[in-house]
Formats: sequence, C-alpha cells, structure tokens
Amino acid sequence: ETGVTQTPRHLVMGMTNKKSLKCEQHLGHNAMYWYKQSAKKPLELMFVYNFKEQTENNSVPSRFSPECPNSSHLFLHLHTLQPEDSALYLCASSQPPGLAGGGRAGELFFGEGSRLTVL
Amino acid sequence: GEDVEQSLFLSVREGDSSVINCTYTDSSSTYLYWYKQEPGAGLQLLTYIFSNMDMKQDQRLTVLLNKKDKHLSLRIADTQTGDSAIYFCAESIMEYGNKLVFGAGTILRVKS
Repeated sequence: ETGVTQTPRHLVMGMTNKKSLKCEQHLGHNAMYWYKQSAKKPLELMFVYNFKEQTENNSVPSRFSPECPNSSHLFLHLHTLQPEDSALYLCASSQPPGLAGGGRAGELFFGEGSRLTVL
Repeated sequence: GEDVEQSLFLSVREGDSSVINCTYTDSSSTYLYWYKQEPGAGLQLLTYIFSNMDMKQDQRLTVLLNKKDKHLSLRIADTQTGDSAIYFCAESIMEYGNKLVFGAGTILRVKS
C-alpha cells in the first residue's frame, strides 16, 4: 500500500467511448503525475500538477484531458482514443522540490496503475 | 537531451548476483534512482544515489555510479525469487524541477 489509489484497475473501451481514470493520494503531497507505461518503452511522463496547477504537458494528444480539482485527486479524461493508446497508466505523487519534510529526494509514490485496452 | 537506456532482460539463478546496468545522457542529473515494479503493482523506490557519490550500499543492494561514463548499475547479492520484477533506472534533472526521466525497465527473472 503506497498511499496512492487508482481506479479502475482495468478498463476496456471502444474508440468512440468517453471514460475517466481516477487517482487519489493520502500522503499530503502537492505534486501529482500521470505516466504511460508501454511494453519495451521508457516510462513516459504525460502531465505534472504542482499545487493543482498544471506545470507540464509532455506533448500529449488532446484526446487525453487531465483534471486536478485539489492536491489529493487527479483525473485523466479519455475520449476518442486509438488502439495504440492501450497501455498501463500510472499515477504518482510527491512533494514538490524545495519543500521541507518531503521524503527521500525526488521520490515518487506510484499507484498500481489502470490497465487500459482500446478496441 | 534526456535519454535513459537499459537492457530489457536479465535472467539469473537463485543465489547468484544480479547486475542491472543503465546509461543516461544528462550530465546535470542530481539524483539517480532505481525503482522496482512487481507484477500487477506500481513502481516503488528501491534506492537512490546523489550524483556526487560513486557508491552506495544498502543490505543486498549496491549502486555504482560512474559519472564520467554516465553509467549506473544496481547489484543485487544473493538474488532470490522474490527479486523477480522490472527494475527502472531514472534520473532527476535539476533544471527541470521535479521531472524524473525513466528508462524502459529491465525484466529480472530469477530461476530456482
């Protein structure tokens, strides 16, 4: 149990569907992230939020839309996805750099991931 | 540019040592990390090393950093079947704030 919970764990959707992935962290962190994990490829950073503000969008297609209503919750809204978007989507949280009391330097706490299959 | 490379697969016998290697490109990296991902789980931080160190030991784990060659390795002594997992190397780059750049992961398979 890492303190970061993702739902659903598995999702199958058609290319015309709209769905959302949810992430919740109970660690008091102020930075949250979405990563995409595909087989044999580097873990790909998608979005970063610091104190609810988006600070990085790593050239992600607009069919992925993040939302961070507060520092504990992060969503990834999905619409008109492609089969190549099938992957494991990982949420993570951390303390932003420079904050006192934050764990080991740069440590990210990951959820177990949401396995997405696009048909 | 940022690029972290690892070999994709390593197979060892139980009780042997495992060495997982990683190369990175950004010389301004402040910390380098090893994360472990067990089946069906997210990544968990295993160990890390500050860029001005060349070695760190933590029980069965030894991290070696060759900053000149931009090479990082993780040695697991007396490898157990429970060590079977995917191991990710990552670097944090100061100028990018809290951005970590990960490799593709090395699948470690331990045979009993």
